[in-house]
Amino acid sequence: RKEVEQDPGPFNVPEGATVAFNCTYSNSASQSFFWYRQDCRKEPKLLMSVYSSGNEDGRFTAQLNRASQYISLLIRDSKLSDSATYLCVVNVGGGATNKLIFGTGTLLAVQP
Amino acid sequence: NAGVTQTPKFQVLKTGQSMTLQCAQDMNHNSMYWYRQDPGMGLRLIYYSASEGTTDKGEVPNGYNVSRLNKREFSLRLESAAPSQTSVYFCASSDIGGPVETQYFGPGTRLLVL
Repeated sequence: RKEVEQDPGPFNVPEGATVAFNCTYSNSASQSFFWYRQDCRKEPKLLMSVYSSGNEDGRFTAQLNRASQYISLLIRDSKLSDSATYLCVVNVGGGATNKLIFGTGTLLAVQP
Repeated sequence: NAGVTQTPKFQVLKTGQSMTLQCAQDMNHNSMYWYRQDPGMGLRLIYYSASEGTTDKGEVPNGYNVSRLNKREFSLRLESAAPSQTSVYFCASSDIGGPVETQYFGPGTRLLVL
């Protein structure tokens, strides 16, 4: 079983749609959680951290369920510019460094 | 402020050749990392350096060596390249203890081993 599992997609949605991505992780000792965005042939960039209480950043909402070891990302009012691969990331490190485990990513294609 | 830079951007090697991938960051971060990204596999950690003078193995260290030359620079060396090392290599850095545990990535090096 992979440490971080995501549906690879692709998710093809029209502009303005709401889309949700899910992710599960296997290490119950995981410290912190993130969503990264990766555009085609570019480097990953942090989209948002994920907190147990849930957090929102504009059109993006992230949720964490530690009991179920489940992370989600909701994108409302999708834009063409949201087309990218979304990486679920879990930090299993601690102390002097962080050790990130990346999911394989979910591809989102927003259609005009 | 360039962030994380990597050289070269592209490289083609023959099996058995050696090369060094260079990485530098200007954010005064303590920790630096090398990842490889392959289709269907996600990013996998090769080596990391929690601080200047220290290096540790990640998930897939075989066939690689690293050097943390100073706080800014972290290089990755392939001593004898193999086709299985064809991949996209990303360097990253982070500031442990900062407000956000963000890793900042360089633009990547695309390596083809024939």
